[in-house]
Amino acid sequence: DAGVIQSPRHEVTEMGQEVTLRCKPISGHDYLFWYRQTMMRGLELLIYFNNNVPIDDSGMPEDRFSAKMPNASFSTLKIQPSEPRDSAVYFCASTSGTRGQYFGPGTRLTVL
Amino acid sequence: GQQLNQSPQSMFIQEGEDVSMNCTSSSIFNTWLWYKQEPGEGPVLLIALYKAGELTSNGRLTAQFGITRKDSFLNISASIPSDVGIYFCAGQLRAFGNEKLTFGTGTRLTIIP
Repeated sequence: DAGVIQSPRHEVTEMGQEVTLRCKPISGHDYLFWYRQTMMRGLELLIYFNNNVPIDDSGMPEDRFSAKMPNASFSTLKIQPSEPRDSAVYFCASTSGTRGQYFGPGTRLTVL
Repeated sequence: GQQLNQSPQSMFIQEGEDVSMNCTSSSIFNTWLWYKQEPGEGPVLLIALYKAGELTSNGRLTAQFGITRKDSFLNISASIPSDVGIYFCAGQLRAFGNEKLTFGTGTRLTIIP
């Protein structure tokens, strides 16, 4: 299996621009998670889906953040408009619910 | 959000030494997981624990689920250079539909040549 795939791996953008991060979960996994990692706050869960339906979005920082999962093999996390404080590494993870979550390689976002 | 307390925050050891780290929580979990993260990569699952008191090994790694269900421990025996990285614990209160993990603050392991 290819594992969780994320794109892009690196994104540099200017404040105010829209940013879209993409994720392809492991085939057969019915849970998908979006995390943000910073030195100050560690790994934070932003939102997770089960069978393409958002279950818990309490970690989404504000209305500038939105996430969708149109089908079982694709999800997006969008930030609009982006701000410098959004700079972080964003991870996508998936699981079938039996043996922990499997993480992608992450997208390093820098907002100038 | 909540983070679990891991200690130590960082370790500097020589190759061949054994390593011990732990993770504590103010609330109980019914699943404990240990992950390792290397620079530029996502966390990789090392060991999963599902029962209080459980002791599980994965090669040179051994982890234990504390009997209070509020802590977990990870040991690495005879460390080698590729053990370098950040180790995270994660707790989960598994219930129907709840797949959220709470992560620890991490233990950064450095091996001195």
